[in-house]
Amino acid sequence: DGGITQSPKYLFRKEGQNVTLSCEQNLNHDAMYWYRQDPGQGLRLIYYSQIVNDFQKGDIAEGYSVSREKKESFPLTVTSAQKNPTAFYLCASSRDRGYGTEAFFGQGTRLTVV
Amino acid sequence: DQQVKQNSPSLSVQEGRISILNCDYTNSMFDYFLWYKKYPAEGPTFLISISSIKDKNEDGRFTVFLNKSAKHLSLHIVPSQPGDSAVYFCAASPNRGGTALIFGKGTTLSVSS
Repeated sequence: DGGITQSPKYLFRKEGQNVTLSCEQNLNHDAMYWYRQDPGQGLRLIYYSQIVNDFQKGDIAEGYSVSREKKESFPLTVTSAQKNPTAFYLCASSRDRGYGTEAFFGQGTRLTVV
Repeated sequence: DQQVKQNSPSLSVQEGRISILNCDYTNSMFDYFLWYKKYPAEGPTFLISISSIKDKNEDGRFTVFLNKSAKHLSLHIVPSQPGDSAVYFCAASPNRGGTALIFGKGTTLSVSS
């Protein structure tokens, strides 16, 4: 089945530690995105990538880093510089930047800092 | 400043009645709009979309209306069913061939039987 897989579903991290969230898609989509959801805040864009080896900062990129070495994969690292990392993280992909392209989402990763 | 606004955090409707969810946007460069449905602890799923060249798009029980002059769109669900209870996000795409979707904060719909 084609889709987007995020892992793990739940993740606990100690303060001061970096942690990497995985996102893999087998939809052959060019573009991939990371969003963060907080209660009452909707979905806020962290980073996006339109093509392999290229990515752009979103609205709340501080404290995060990404890489796009393969078309299928877009891992997100939450660094110790992120002041409030506890949130629900969503990865998405879309066919391309073309007009009228909807994004498809993974099931999300719940990150909790303990 | 929010570019996509969903001013009603919640909406309660009885089964069989119409649900109307509203969304306003400020950026006149937006030309493609989408609605997503989300259950707790799951990713959003695409529901319906509309381009700026149309003012209405219909898919089964779901209809989206776009009023470009008012920078307003709405999602109508008729008839509403208990399974429609979820958070609904409005999203907009800036520019033709644009970048990532910009989302509103969502409206929680509760449909009671």
